[in-house]
Order: sequence, then C-alpha cells, then structure tokens
Amino acid sequence: EAQVTQNPRYLITVTGKKLTVTCSQNMNHEYMSWYRQDPGLGLRQIYYSMNVEVTDKGDVPEGYKVSRKEKRNFPLILESPSPNQTSLYFCACSPRGSLGGANYGYTFGSGTRLTVV
Amino acid sequence: AQSVAQPEDQVNVAEGNPLTVKCTYSVSGNPYLFWYVQYPNRGLQFLLKYITGDNLVKGSYGFEAEFNKSQTSFHLKKPSALVSDSALYFCAVRDPNSGNTPLVFGKGTRLSVIA
Repeated sequence: EAQVTQNPRYLITVTGKKLTVTCSQNMNHEYMSWYRQDPGLGLRQIYYSMNVEVTDKGDVPEGYKVSRKEKRNFPLILESPSPNQTSLYFCACSPRGSLGGANYGYTFGSGTRLTVV
Repeated sequence: AQSVAQPEDQVNVAEGNPLTVKCTYSVSGNPYLFWYVQYPNRGLQFLLKYITGDNLVKGSYGFEAEFNKSQTSFHLKKPSALVSDSALYFCAVRDPNSGNTPLVFGKGTRLSVIA
C-alpha cells in the first residue's frame, strides 16, 4: 500500500530539547515536503526537497532543519524547540513527472501533533 | 506570486441539500487547482484536481468542482450532502510556469452537515 509514514503521531516535549520527526514514503517519489497546520493559518510550508541531497526553504523555515540523504526519508529536525512551534505537522510527497510534478497532487502522512512546553 | 483564498471559515448545510465550498485563486498563468479533505485526526486526502480540459471536474465521494477562469474560482460542490462529509476542506493552487514552486494552500473551510 502506498503510504507516507510519520513518527511519532503525538509528542510533548520541553523547550530546548532537540527532537526529530521522521517521514518515510514507499512510492519512490522525488518530491517531499513538510507543512505545519495552525488554526486560522491553514498549511504553511516549512521545507521541501526536489530529490536526494536537494532541499529548499519554504515559507516558515526558521527553527527547523531537514535532510534528504535517501529518497524515501525526509526527517524534520527541531534543534531547540520553542512553544511557538507547537503545531500539527504533515509530511507530503509527490512524483516529479513530465511537468516537474506540477500536475500531481500530494500524498500526505497522518500528521504529528507536537506540543512544546 | 500564487495565492488562494477560501472566503468562508465555516459552511453549514442540512443533510440532503446541495453544498458549495468556495475557492478563488491568483496566479500569473493557467493554474493547476486541487481540493483536499481532512477528517479529524487524519492527514489530508486528495479529492480532485483541474489541470486542463473540461471545466467541470469530478472527484472522490461524489464531489465535483467547476473551474471558472473569468472569475478565477474553483468552487467545490456536491448535489446532496451527507453527514459523513463533515470535515475540513482545503483548496490549493500551483502555477505550472513558475518552476519548482510548491502547492499553496488556502486556510481551509470547515464543512458541517447537519442531520
């Protein structure tokens, strides 16, 4: 079954304690992305990756890091989490396709609800 | 820059009645448009997309959307709403001429179908 797997689903942590949210896809898709969802703000892109070893900032990259060492994995790293990073996080992927993937939709993971106290 | 607006935070409709969830967009060229649905405690699920061709696009769960270029709109519709359609709906747009830009999402519209 084609899927995007995020772990953990829920996480409560303290300010300043480094954490990693993992994302793995089994569809061999080139494009992967991280979004955060906040009430009244919709989904905002944090980082994205067009392929292995290629990453770019989205709209709200501050306080986050990513890496893309393998095609299937795209972890989100919070080096020093702060309460304003309390949010619902989604990983997504799509194929590139002949039009650069523009005509494809995304497949989303089930989300990670992060609370930073 | 591309953008999308969902003017209604909340839409309430009685079961069996037709529903419309509105979306307008702004891109420099011809848009690629998408609708996603999010059920409680779940990720976003793809409903339908408009890339080219017929302005009326049919998708999953009986939903359809109409692309209107003159009004720059892509409203989501369903002839007869079900209670199980209650969810959060997101419209998204991408400008295919702007390189590797990602999908840009609206803020979402919460649909509540009342029995």
